[in-house]
Amino acid sequence: DVKVTQSSRYLVKRTGEKVFLECVQDMDHENMFWYRQDPGLGLRLIYFSYDVKMKEKGDIPEGYSVSREKKERFSLILESASTNQTSMYLCASSLGLAVSYNEQFFGPGTRLTVL
Amino acid sequence: LAKTTQPISMDSYEGQEVNITCSHNNIATNDYITWYQQFPSQGPRFIIQGYKTKVTNEVASLFIPADRKSSTLSLPRVSLSDTAVYYCLVGAPRGGSQGNLIFGKGTKLSVKP
Repeated sequence: DVKVTQSSRYLVKRTGEKVFLECVQDMDHENMFWYRQDPGLGLRLIYFSYDVKMKEKGDIPEGYSVSREKKERFSLILESASTNQTSMYLCASSLGLAVSYNEQFFGPGTRLTVL
Repeated sequence: LAKTTQPISMDSYEGQEVNITCSHNNIATNDYITWYQQFPSQGPRFIIQGYKTKVTNEVASLFIPADRKSSTLSLPRVSLSDTAVYYCLVGAPRGGSQGNLIFGKGTKLSVKP
């Protein structure tokens, strides 16, 4: 089974702090994604990566950056956390672009609270 | 970008068939339609995917009309454990350009005994 793990289930940070959310997948998937989920808004794509060191902006990239130095790891970075970034953050991975579409496998999520 | 619209919530009783419809008027030729299920405190889980006509697996069916501007997820004989949020997703990531992965806002299905 594909396993996507996220470094923390719950995280509390203060405004202005630099925050790192880590995601690791163990199935050699080429694509990795970061979403945030808020009540009433569903899932919104922040960034995705289709290869090591490659990234693409999603719908809401402002205030975030990402890093993918290794194929299995995709990090989401909040350079200066703000209270409006309090949310559930979900990481996902999927196979490469050789197929028209492929299933995304999600991690359990990290609930981030910024005080 | 193909946006999706689905009902915010639905109620059902155990044993009934549930149909959830998703509208996606601007679906592109190469887009697939995928449905996910999410339980509280968990990430979404893939249910079913299709391109056109009808697809069936062990848990659900997906009906897609010829114009592909909508799709209907059908859950036969639901049980209490089917209480969850169901998301309709249209599109696919494409390297070198902005990913057009559009999740709907989800339909919260409540199954009552």
